[in-house]
Amino acid sequence: KNQVEQSPQSLIILEGKNCTLQCNYTVSPFSNLRWYKQDTGRGPVSLTIMTFSENTKSNGRYTATLDADTKQSSLHITASQLSDSASYICVVSATGYALNFGKGTSLLVTP
Amino acid sequence: EPEVTQTPSHQVTQMGQEVILRCVPISNHLYFYWYRQILGQKVEFLVSFYNNEISEKSEIFDDQFSVERPDGSNFTLKIRSTKLEDSAMYFCASSGQAVQPQHFGDGTRLSIL
Repeated sequence: KNQVEQSPQSLIILEGKNCTLQCNYTVSPFSNLRWYKQDTGRGPVSLTIMTFSENTKSNGRYTATLDADTKQSSLHITASQLSDSASYICVVSATGYALNFGKGTSLLVTP
Repeated sequence: EPEVTQTPSHQVTQMGQEVILRCVPISNHLYFYWYRQILGQKVEFLVSFYNNEISEKSEIFDDQFSVERPDGSNFTLKIRSTKLEDSAMYFCASSGQAVQPQHFGDGTRLSIL
């Protein structure tokens, strides 16, 4: 069964600090891995998308890594801001169409 | 920046009734999707649609559900004979190509009474 597991479930950090979120998956075959940000009450917003051959992708202060051999990914957020408070969701696609979502990591950035 | 828009934002329906959720994808996108998120749970894939036909669907997307692109701009999800467990947030998404970011709308919250 295709599974996407994320850790930690929740995280609280001080504004300006860095953090790293983890994702492990068992989705097979593998097409691509995505990270999304979801604010409360809003739809998910794409941060990065990586295919099998890519092992890192950046989008501003967000940097995602992918190890397709160990089926692990991470999302690193640099110099956090209050607006980074949201749920960060790891999403893996087997076919390119359907997305398998993790439960997300709820990040709270405090002043 | 172009957006995916969904209407209504909140739909309340009696159990057993039919409901149609509407979406306007980004205009030059070719791939369309529906997802649902039950309160407190993860987002789940329902169906993808390309070239006027379903390209993939999940186990959730049974005969109760159907999708349609009735004109060049709208993409709809119809749920027949709604059940209490159909209560969820339903998200529409679109993308230019399959392996490209999917752009999500802000969802329709469906409440079945």
